[in-house]
Amino acid sequence: RKEVEQDPGPFNVPEGATVAFNCTYSNSASQSFFWYRQDCRKEPKLLMSVYSSGNEDGRFTAQLNRASQYISLLIRDSKLSDSATYLCVVSPTWDGTASKLTFGTGTRLQVTL
Amino acid sequence: DAGVIQSPRHEVTEMGQEVTLRCKPISGHNSLFWYRQTMMRGLELLIYFNNNVPIDDSGMPEDRFSAKMPNASFSTLKIQPSEPRDSAVYFCASSFWGVGRSTEAFFGQGTRLTVV
Repeated sequence: RKEVEQDPGPFNVPEGATVAFNCTYSNSASQSFFWYRQDCRKEPKLLMSVYSSGNEDGRFTAQLNRASQYISLLIRDSKLSDSATYLCVVSPTWDGTASKLTFGTGTRLQVTL
Repeated sequence: DAGVIQSPRHEVTEMGQEVTLRCKPISGHNSLFWYRQTMMRGLELLIYFNNNVPIDDSGMPEDRFSAKMPNASFSTLKIQPSEPRDSAVYFCASSFWGVGRSTEAFFGQGTRLTVV
């Protein structure tokens, strides 16, 4: 089983729609969670961190479910500019030494007119 | 800050040649990561350094790959000899890690490697 799993998509949605992505992780000791966005032929960039209590940033809402070991990203009122690949990122428990990020393979979103 | 700087941006080389990719992390960051991205396998971690020391190189595909970080502001990833299956986009990323907290990784723009 992969450490981080995502539905590759593509998710094709009309402009203005609401779309949600899920991501599951296998390491129950994971402590840090992020969503990254990657545009075509560009580098990944942090979209938002995911906190235990859930967090919202404008049209974007991220949630964490530790019991089921998944995180989600909800995008409301989709814009054409939201078209990209969304990468789920998980980090293991911090133990005082260096850690690493594990990336999912990404979910591709295509927003259309 | 200029962000993570990688060079070259594009590299085309012949099979069997040595390839060296370079990375300058963000000043003050103490962790550096080398990733490889392909359509088939997505983004894979090859190796990461903390305070210039290699911590985990289990993702390095084989002995043809080597990475160094001689100081806090420079790292190289070398492939010798290169093979067509090494063709991919190679990303360098850096972050700051401290006890009790983790920060996001900032990526360079990547080096697109084509081995013919």
